[in-house]
Amino acid sequence: AQKVTQAQTEISVVEKEDVTLDCVYETRDTTYYLFWYKQPPSGELVFLIRRNSFDEQNEISGRYSWNFQKSTSSFNFTITASQVVDSAVYFCALSEAGSGANSKLTFGKGITLSVRP
Amino acid sequence: SQTIHQWPATLVQPVGSPLSLECTVEGTSNPNLYWYRQAAGRGLQLLFYSVGIGQISSEVPQNLSASRPQDRQFILSSKKLLLSDSGFYLCAWTLKAGAETQYFGPGTRLLVL
Repeated sequence: AQKVTQAQTEISVVEKEDVTLDCVYETRDTTYYLFWYKQPPSGELVFLIRRNSFDEQNEISGRYSWNFQKSTSSFNFTITASQVVDSAVYFCALSEAGSGANSKLTFGKGITLSVRP
Repeated sequence: SQTIHQWPATLVQPVGSPLSLECTVEGTSNPNLYWYRQAAGRGLQLLFYSVGIGQISSEVPQNLSASRPQDRQFILSSKKLLLSDSGFYLCAWTLKAGAETQYFGPGTRLLVL
């Protein structure tokens, strides 16, 4: 069975600090997909990134970057120069390719990030 | 572009009352649709998913049911609410191809008293 672990539950930083959110996953599939979602106080889950298991290239999007390492089954998310607007709950999720048209996601428990001015 | 709507946004219901939450998607056809519940404490639990009209799969046996009367409409119901049904309900959609990204609606906050 697949599993996603986000060991950090709450992180508090001061604005402009860099912060890394950890995600470790377990799956028996060789083909799978990893996701990060942001949940601001309004509640809606906002999609941030999707990576497949064959693409281990790190990705950078503005202040956001993602480090995917199959050797350690990790898909960590770094926010550089954090801002107050980054305050939210961040979820890592896993989908196995074998789930086919069902695209079922397994979510981690989420990390609450608070960025203080 | 595709959009997903949920209503109501907030709902306060007494124990034992019925429930109907609605989710609709615009801008796409024949999507997969999902209902999640997020109880206090953040965890997201998949309740139901649907790959087509009238096709419902339940992930967790419980007091709730789902229906898909139209291609882009997904309804979550209950005949008699329990206190434990309180939570934040999220609807999501995805394209048919395997392991596509799920896009979420704004959610409904349900408080059962």
